[in-house]
Amino acid sequence: GENVEQHPSTLSVQEGDSAVIKCTYSDSASNYFPWYKQELGKGPQLIIDIRSNVGEKKDQRIAVTLNKTAKHFSLHITETQPEDSAVYFCAASRNDYKLSFGAGTTVTVRA
Amino acid sequence: DAEITQSPRHKITETGRQVTLACHQTWNHNNMFWYRQDLGHGLRLIHYSYGVQDTNKGEVSDGYSVSRSNTEDLPLTLESAASSQTSVYFCASTGHQETQYFGPGTRLLVL
Repeated sequence: GENVEQHPSTLSVQEGDSAVIKCTYSDSASNYFPWYKQELGKGPQLIIDIRSNVGEKKDQRIAVTLNKTAKHFSLHITETQPEDSAVYFCAASRNDYKLSFGAGTTVTVRA
Repeated sequence: DAEITQSPRHKITETGRQVTLACHQTWNHNNMFWYRQDLGHGLRLIHYSYGVQDTNKGEVSDGYSVSRSNTEDLPLTLESAASSQTSVYFCASTGHQETQYFGPGTRLLVL
């Protein structure tokens, strides 16, 4: 099955700086790569996703890049704010609606 | 507004007891999923369903079962609870788009 690895497991950044989280996947048939944000005591919520026919996607301060050849994708958060503090998960799917998740990254934004 | 709910939100039980966790969605989504979340493992798929009367095993299905008698509900049953099943359980659903919408989670403690 699909194996998704996520790094780093924790990330502390100064408010206003950028944060980058990286994921690798093993199944070359995977074609959908979402990112979820989980706040304390809540369920994960989709923040951005990318499909295999696109190399980069942006939504305000958040961007995701995908390198199909290397089988890795990354989440970039610019101008970080205290409300960006949360756990972030990457995931991969091969068009069967099943998601394989990374282990998560705890992001702390220092004021 | 459409939503996905889980009940109970917290549950304490004893080893050997049968436990059922409820999941209800009002989006009329065909696809529903159960995950467990443990520190260091991200979210792992337990069971999933693509429609009424359809159920499938995920990567960590041992000791769990589900049934799908209607579109809205996918209850998760622990046949004989074990301490290793202490976890946070999330239900999710998706329609034709691949975005999964997660419930708020059920925190289960097996003593």
